[in-house]
Amino acid sequence: ETGVTQTPRHLVMGMTNKKSLKCEQHLGHNAMYWYKQSAKKPLELMFVYSLEERVENNSVPSRFSPECPNSSHLFLHLHTLQPEDSALYLCASSQYLAGRQETQYFGPGTRLLVL
Amino acid sequence: KQEVTQIPAALSVPEGENLVLNCSFTDSAIYNLQWFRQDPGKGLTSLLLIQSSQREQTSGRLNASLDKSSGRSTLYIAASQPGDSATYLCAVRRGETSGSRLTFGEGTQLTVNP
Repeated sequence: ETGVTQTPRHLVMGMTNKKSLKCEQHLGHNAMYWYKQSAKKPLELMFVYSLEERVENNSVPSRFSPECPNSSHLFLHLHTLQPEDSALYLCASSQYLAGRQETQYFGPGTRLLVL
Repeated sequence: KQEVTQIPAALSVPEGENLVLNCSFTDSAIYNLQWFRQDPGKGLTSLLLIQSSQREQTSGRLNASLDKSSGRSTLYIAASQPGDSATYLCAVRRGETSGSRLTFGEGTQLTVNP
């Protein structure tokens, strides 16, 4: 498989459930990202993992927990979510070379519905 | 704080028309600017990336310009086709590192009618 893949593509969960979103990139990139896309709002960066740094958006609630075991895999662990967390969660990857930032490649997203 | 605005929010045109999508940003200290395309319920596809030192980039029927000093970019689509129907997103990057976030606009939803 090529590019950036995400599983599952759709997820419905209750507020007391624990679930995880998975992202895998097959591009040999060294940086991976989680974004949240809510209706009528701009994409919001949640987390970045790269060789040189990990960055968190301080406004992301602690009920979202990222994990990056290696440069090809990225997880987003979810627990005790709220209905307002329902959104499209997009994973992306890119290649950072010294002095140059390449474009980000996005996965198809996981459509999450919290009941 | 960087803010990105896209105008119009939605646009409907007949097939074959040339069109311009607009993007403005409040902080001109950017590293680069990108235009993405997003089909309904799908991820983003990068269309064009303009470095801060560049004025424009072209790919096929698409041409993107950047005026960093005035905080503006335009995406020009020539001879539009129904397959161009999608949401077009503009995003600016603040710095060079991976942690330097992309700030996105809300997008322009384009419909090209056959």
